[in-house]
Formats: sequence, structure tokens, C-alpha cells
Amino acid sequence: EVQLVESGGGLVQPGTSLRLSCAASGFPFDAYAMHWVRQAPGKGLEWVSGISWISGAIGYADSVKGRFTISRDNAKNSLYLQMNSLRPEDTALYYCAKGKRGYDALIDYWGQGTLVTVSS
Amino acid sequence: SYVLTQPPSVSVAPGQTARITCGGNNIGSKSVHWCQQKPGQAPVLVVYDDSDRPSGIPERFSGSNSGNTATLTISRVEAGDEADYYCQVWDTSGEHVLFGGGTKLTVL
Repeated sequence: EVQLVESGGGLVQPGTSLRLSCAASGFPFDAYAMHWVRQAPGKGLEWVSGISWISGAIGYADSVKGRFTISRDNAKNSLYLQMNSLRPEDTALYYCAKGKRGYDALIDYWGQGTLVTVSS
Repeated sequence: SYVLTQPPSVSVAPGQTARITCGGNNIGSKSVHWCQQKPGQAPVLVVYDDSDRPSGIPERFSGSNSGNTATLTISRVEAGDEADYYCQVWDTSGEHVLFGGGTKLTVL
């Protein structure tokens, strides 16, 4: 059974940093692309960042480019999102999501999310 | 940049057919995926590559894609289908995932 468990969310002040983690199990982690997708309260889904199976391809939404960094540790079956210079508009539930095949838009499993609140 | 347009809401009576559209310039040339999100839950993939269904998804869920419109069709709608539905594609210009704004399906 595929499991994706996010952690690291919390309440932080604007301008500070936070690192999200996603622990994956139930599938060969090193064979699939992974993504972070966020959802602001009462809003729709917004793709944040994605990374291919061996980190050869990485992408970011324009809204986070230069501030967020995605990475993965295939030995630890883990995905990360380093978030710097956080803004109030980054407040959202952050989902870790598994790609179904190569690095493209197809996501077949989602975690339950970790909440990030940026507020003074 | 590429934009996906979905109607904010669709309403349908139980047992009827719901059609949720996703508009985009020449979207027929792209692979479109659909996910369902019920209140307080994570999204679930219901249709991928325009018209394929993951295992465990009822045959009532189907998809099509042509020209400037992709469509998710839910036949014999049930109360349990009430949810938000999102279309998504790969935006080749920016090399990133793009979601539509989402459509809230209400079962009357």
C-alpha cells in the first residue's frame, strides 16, 4: 500500500524558513517522480514543485522559484521541500504526491498534507 | 502561459449524468488527468490520459478530450460523488504541472 506522510509544517513568521519532509513507503521510491502541491484555505490546488526519479529534472512554480528548493534522498525514501523567505501567501496545506510514471503531470497518490501558516 | 478553465460549479440530480469541462487552447493535443477531492480529504486520481481509469475507480467515471475542451463525465451520479474535481496537464512551455481552478459538483 502506497503511503506518503508529510511533516514539518507549522506557524512561522514572514521572512523565515521551514523544511517539509515526506516519508514514502509501499512502492520503489527511487523509480518515480515526486511532487509538492499546495492548497490555500478554501482555494484550489496549486503545483509547487516536482523532481524526477534521480533528480535529473526539477521544476518550480513561478510563485516559489528562487525561494523554495525540492530535493529527495532515495536511500531514505524521502522527499523534502526547503522553503525560505516565506510570505503570508504561502499559507496552505502542502501535499506530497507521487508521479505515476516519468516526470510529467500524472500524479496517482497523495499524502494527507502538512499545514504551513505564515503570519506575524 | 497556458490556462485551464473549469466552471466553478455543476449541479446534477442523483442518477443523472454530470459533465465537467476543462478548457484550454488546443487541449486536445495534451494528456489530461482528473482528480476528485472530497471535503477534508486528499485528492484521488479518477481519470488519466484523457480517458483511462485507475484500478478501483467505477466505470461511471469517463473522460474525453478534443479540440479546446476536455470533459469528465460521471454517469448515474450518486450522492457520494459530491466533491471538487480538478483537471491537470503538463505545461510544456514552463515544464510544470498545471491545474484547472476546480469544479464543485453538487448532487441535488
